[in-house]
Amino acid sequence: GAGVSQSPSNKVTEKGKDVELRCDPISGHTALYWYRQSLGQGLEFLIYFQGNSAPDKSGLPSDRFSAERTGGSVSTLTIQRTQQEDSAVYLCASSLSGGNNEQFFGPGTRLTVL
Amino acid sequence: GQQLNQSPQSMFIQEGEDVSMNCTSSSIFNTWLWYKQDPGEGPVLLIALYKAGELTSNGRLTAQFGITRKDSFLNISASIPSDVGIYFCAGQLRETSGSRLTFGEGTQLTVNP
Repeated sequence: GAGVSQSPSNKVTEKGKDVELRCDPISGHTALYWYRQSLGQGLEFLIYFQGNSAPDKSGLPSDRFSAERTGGSVSTLTIQRTQQEDSAVYLCASSLSGGNNEQFFGPGTRLTVL
Repeated sequence: GQQLNQSPQSMFIQEGEDVSMNCTSSSIFNTWLWYKQDPGEGPVLLIALYKAGELTSNGRLTAQFGITRKDSFLNISASIPSDVGIYFCAGQLRETSGSRLTFGEGTQLTVNP
């Protein structure tokens, strides 16, 4: 069956530009998570969606970061006015619901800000 | 953001050897998880632990949830070349909204045939 998919797989942008990263969760999964993985580091939580609402967005590093989810499915993570320190792999995960249901991860989007 | 202390950072072993890695935290978790990540892919869950003191096996993998709820270890027995990858521990506190995962910094495992 289809897993979590993310697009694009790679994104190179210039400092100051806006970028949008997309996540397609597993069908039927109501919970969706965004994480960021810097080079050689573990994953850092960014935001959690339950359905279309985001009860936990405390991991977003600045107001340049935002995310939305429509129709309880696809989610978009937007980074405005990108900075070089935003360069990282952005990973999306989904789970059947919140709680301790297993989170299934997508392959990530590698963002490089020049 | 908060991360767990995972050690060692890297390991170089011969095929057939056993491996052990561990994670510690200054705060408690009520779930501990171990993931493996291959290059260019997202992490894949290996073992989940839900009770303090729990010891769980999955094939050649064995993991334990520390009794203090602040630590966990993962053992891999009789390593094979396909065990190569980065192993992450993750803690989860179910009372928090959304049950976010807090990750360690990873253990890079290299297995020489």
